[in-house]
Amino acid sequence: QLQLQESGPGLVKPSQVLSLTCTVSGAPINSGSFYWTWIRQPVGKELEWIGRIFSSGSTMYNASLKNRATISLDTSRHQFSLTLNSVTAADTAVYFCARERAVPSASFDYWGQGSLVIVSS
Amino acid sequence: DIQMTQSPSSLSASVGDRVTITCQASQDIRFRAHWYQHKPGKAPKLLIYDASALESGVPSRFSGSGSGTDFTFTISSLRPDDIATYFCQQSDSLPLTFGGGTKVEIK
Repeated sequence: QLQLQESGPGLVKPSQVLSLTCTVSGAPINSGSFYWTWIRQPVGKELEWIGRIFSSGSTMYNASLKNRATISLDTSRHQFSLTLNSVTAADTAVYFCARERAVPSASFDYWGQGSLVIVSS
Repeated sequence: DIQMTQSPSSLSASVGDRVTITCQASQDIRFRAHWYQHKPGKAPKLLIYDASALESGVPSRFSGSGSGTDFTFTISSLRPDDIATYFCQQSDSLPLTFGGGTKVEIK
């Protein structure tokens, strides 16, 4: 059974870098049929797709993040990571990692439980 | 970006009731709507993909329909274990976007 688990600091200071890691167990992370994705949900707001990485290393991001997000893949550690630069209070959210099916269409078939990150001094 | 307008935002129903949630897309997304269940503190779970396809292992009391801009998610007979927030998602174009969620409670 595939499992995803987010990890990282729960508190980040404004203007600093938010870094989260998702550890994947139960299936290979270098499968060509899936994207590995980050999604977030500010408290009381809608889910927001942050971006994805393919096994080849190619990435796509939500333009709303204004080039502040970077997703990377470490197949040897079965992990993928998110860094978000220049954070503000608006980046306070529960961050989820998920596996996104490339076919037939992009639905998320496995998710982590989520990791709350608070941006505050 | 494609907006997914989901309604209602919350509902209260009795065990055994039929529950219906809708999502309206701001433009034609063909059949590319998906539905999820999320319980607090747990990982969201995919229930329906491509508007009407039941994900493997999901009970048949869950169903979906629709195409184009209007989509419906139905629980045919509500059970206590179905208490959760349900949300839709579109995958027709990037960025992938989500509905606001529907919190389902037992009356």
